[in-house]
Amino acid sequence: EAGVTQSPTHLIKTRGQQATLRCSPISGHTSVYWYQQALGLGLQFLLWYDEGEERNRGNFPPRFSGRQFPNYSSELNVNALELEDSALYLCASSFRGAREQYFGPGTRLTVT
Amino acid sequence: GIQVEQSPPDLILQEGANSTLRCNFSDSVNNLQWFHQNPWGQLINLFYIPSGTKQNGRLSATTVATERYSLLYISSSQTTDSGVYFCAVELLIRIKAAGNKLTFGGGTRVLVKP
Repeated sequence: EAGVTQSPTHLIKTRGQQATLRCSPISGHTSVYWYQQALGLGLQFLLWYDEGEERNRGNFPPRFSGRQFPNYSSELNVNALELEDSALYLCASSFRGAREQYFGPGTRLTVT
Repeated sequence: GIQVEQSPPDLILQEGANSTLRCNFSDSVNNLQWFHQNPWGQLINLFYIPSGTKQNGRLSATTVATERYSLLYISSSQTTDSGVYFCAVELLIRIKAAGNKLTFGGGTRVLVKP
């Protein structure tokens, strides 16, 4: 069974640009979560999508947004990139109603 | 919000040694997971253990929910056990729609020397 997949593996952007990160959950999982791991800040919850709707949001500005598609895959968009957005972005998925989350390999975003 | 503290922050072991990692949390939880982060950044699921004891090979974990802590045991450590170990919890709240987010501890960085 394939795990959570994320693309791209690495992304280099310039300050002020927009970045789009993609995530495909494990087959049968309907919930997708996004987390940010920035140097010195640890792992922080960003967004939770379930059945196409945003269900919960972490303490991040509105320029962090996303969506979930009918096939349950998800996209994270970061607008007006700032240097401090440089981080590893991890996507996780879970079955509807289940608690255990499974993580993908991450996308490493570098903003110069 | 809920606080999650892991100890020790760093651990250096000789191959073959045993060790215990601790995770303390400040509130009632309905999910607790242990992860191992590999050098490439991926989080590998070790245990889903909101309560009780589980074992998987050389690893075992115990969560005492009433006392708000969890322990991860590594026995006969190997160099491949090196990496960062994270504990993550989900706060127990009544509003389901606002739940499901994991709060991570700061991690324990483990180095196993040959």
